[in-house]
Amino acid sequence: EDKVVQSPLSLVVHEGDTVTLNCSYEVTNFRSLLWYKQEKKAPTFLFMLTSSGIEKKSGRLSSILDKKELSSILNITATQTGDSAIYLCAVEEVQGAQKLVFGQGTRLTINP
Amino acid sequence: DSGVTQTPKHLITATGQRVTLRCSPRSGDLSVYWYQQSLDQGLQFLIQYYNGEERAKGNILERFSAQQFPDLHSELNLSSLELGDSALYFCASSPRLAGGIYNEQFFGPGTRLTVL
Repeated sequence: EDKVVQSPLSLVVHEGDTVTLNCSYEVTNFRSLLWYKQEKKAPTFLFMLTSSGIEKKSGRLSSILDKKELSSILNITATQTGDSAIYLCAVEEVQGAQKLVFGQGTRLTINP
Repeated sequence: DSGVTQTPKHLITATGQRVTLRCSPRSGDLSVYWYQQSLDQGLQFLIQYYNGEERAKGNILERFSAQQFPDLHSELNLSSLELGDSALYFCASSPRLAGGIYNEQFFGPGTRLTVL
């Protein structure tokens, strides 16, 4: 069965710290890995990664995929209280349709 | 605002009842996805429609069904409701069927269903 595992499940840090969130996956035919941020309601898209070793960056957030290790990390530098959210990792399989398998998420809390 | 709309925002109903959740995708998006998010299960893919046709199925119960109409809006029907069906139901949309960059899914605000 396809599986996506995120760690840690919960993380509490102080404003200004740097955090690294992990995602590992087991899927039959991997196509892409996506990161989402979920605050109060709907998940919002952050990154889509398809190629190994290529970093995607957006401001203080960056992510990289390691296809050999079947994993990805999401880094957030100089964290702010507004970064507090649940970060979701999802993996898309190669098939005729776009079925995403989501991890349980990492609940990140940034304390002032 | 993702451009995906869902109604209603909240729904409270009793066990055994039937409800319909509605979703309007972003303008131009042909794919619609339904997800269930409960506290203990995380975000679970239910079903995908593309341009009116069912294209992928996930962990969707037989008591649940969905359809996508010619105007591309979609409805998720939940029947014989049980307490365990209480959850947030999200709809998402994307431009194409699968794959490729710029085909990420954009999520609506969700419908919170409470079954008493």
